[in-house]
Amino acid sequence: ETGVTQTPRHLVMGMTNKKSLKCEQHLGHNAMYWYKQSAKKPLELMFVYNFKEQTENNSVPSRFSPECPNSSHLFLHLHTLQPEDSALYLCASSQTGSNQPQHFGDGTRLSIL
Amino acid sequence: GENVEQHPSTLSVQEGDSAVIKCTYSDSASNYFPWYKQELGKRPQLIIDIRSNVGEKKDQRIAVTLNKTAKHFSLHITETQPEDSAVYFCAADRGSTLGRLYFGRGTQLTVWP
Repeated sequence: ETGVTQTPRHLVMGMTNKKSLKCEQHLGHNAMYWYKQSAKKPLELMFVYNFKEQTENNSVPSRFSPECPNSSHLFLHLHTLQPEDSALYLCASSQTGSNQPQHFGDGTRLSIL
Repeated sequence: GENVEQHPSTLSVQEGDSAVIKCTYSDSASNYFPWYKQELGKRPQLIIDIRSNVGEKKDQRIAVTLNKTAKHFSLHITETQPEDSAVYFCAADRGSTLGRLYFGRGTQLTVWP
């Protein structure tokens, strides 16, 4: 399934670098999500975009900055990250509304040196 | 907010046996319960879901049951195969238009040949 595509698949960066993660969905959905997946923890919702409007920011530090230029694309801009930010970052999309299944991308494995 | 508890955290079964994973939720407003399978290094994939107006749903070897009164739901896998080995996540949706899923911590299922 290639409905939700994330790039890059792997990223190693220093704490002073600036980088961006990209997500694109080809499913005609109008809601997109960023999740953080760390070992031994539940999936943590970071941001929700509904029709390009950010509808939830789940107390995420400002060093993570999302951008949703249209309903098919979602970015996560990173700057001055900390070692504890090393994790798998997953993008998902769904139709707007309750009880809609979310479809995930393969994720970006991020390592902070 | 919603709190989803998932048990067990690890489960080992012999090929051909059945496996059961259980989840409880705290918010009686939750009305949609998807299950995801995540193989090592891959994306979480939706394998089955259930809505609160039904008590059981089956898809070949996989079934999900829901007890709204007790606020718990379970995943049942029959005739397990080695390729069923993965991490399984349950989730609950409170039914808001934001599509916010609350995930359990996951169960590592290992099926031995």
